[in-house]
Amino acid sequence: EIQMTQSPSAMSASVGDRVTITCRASQDISTYLTWFQQKPGKAPERLIYGASNLQGGVPSRFSGSGSGTEFTLRISGLRPEDFATYYCLQHSNYPITFGGGTKVDIK
Amino acid sequence: EVQLLESGGALVQPGGSLRLSCSGSGFTFSAYAMTWVRQAPGKDLEWISVISDSGSRIVYADSVTGRFTISRDNSNSTLFLQMDSLRAEDTGTYYCARSYGNDLYDNWGQGTLVTVSS
Repeated sequence: EIQMTQSPSAMSASVGDRVTITCRASQDISTYLTWFQQKPGKAPERLIYGASNLQGGVPSRFSGSGSGTEFTLRISGLRPEDFATYYCLQHSNYPITFGGGTKVDIK
Repeated sequence: EVQLLESGGALVQPGGSLRLSCSGSGFTFSAYAMTWVRQAPGKDLEWISVISDSGSRIVYADSVTGRFTISRDNSNSTLFLQMDSLRAEDTGTYYCARSYGNDLYDNWGQGTLVTVSS
């Protein structure tokens, strides 16, 4: 099973901040990496697929990068609606595995 | 508009059974693989199972293998999850999501809550 390690697990940030979240895979997953945003009581929403492709309708302040074992989600200019939990997911091999999540809250 | 709507969640005793459904609309259901993902209260997302578009290929997480059965009815655009021998640790919100090749989980249902407790 491929382990996905997200860091940090939680962070406090202010509106306007640049936020960086990292996801590391326990083995090479190429670019089979997806990022999701989840708000309390809601289903996850896809932000980034294929490690760096922005989902339609997602603001351009979100970006993803990386390949192999290290991946990054960046939010440039945090907005109030961005306070949420973010998850990475690998689909290189079964079982598909999620990272442990990064909760971004208001400083 | 693509919609996925889960149903069937309930309170059930340990050792009991439950059948979840996920109804799809607004897209060609039979062209998509379908997946169940769950989330225990306050916890992280856990991938449970996937079924291919035709239903010919199925994969389960180790945590549910032998207890859960995924199936689909393409004629009625519905995905199912039969859950047997339920345990307290199966408690959580169960989501269905669709995928097309390597294009995973662009749409999710709203979730249905399963509580396993005596």
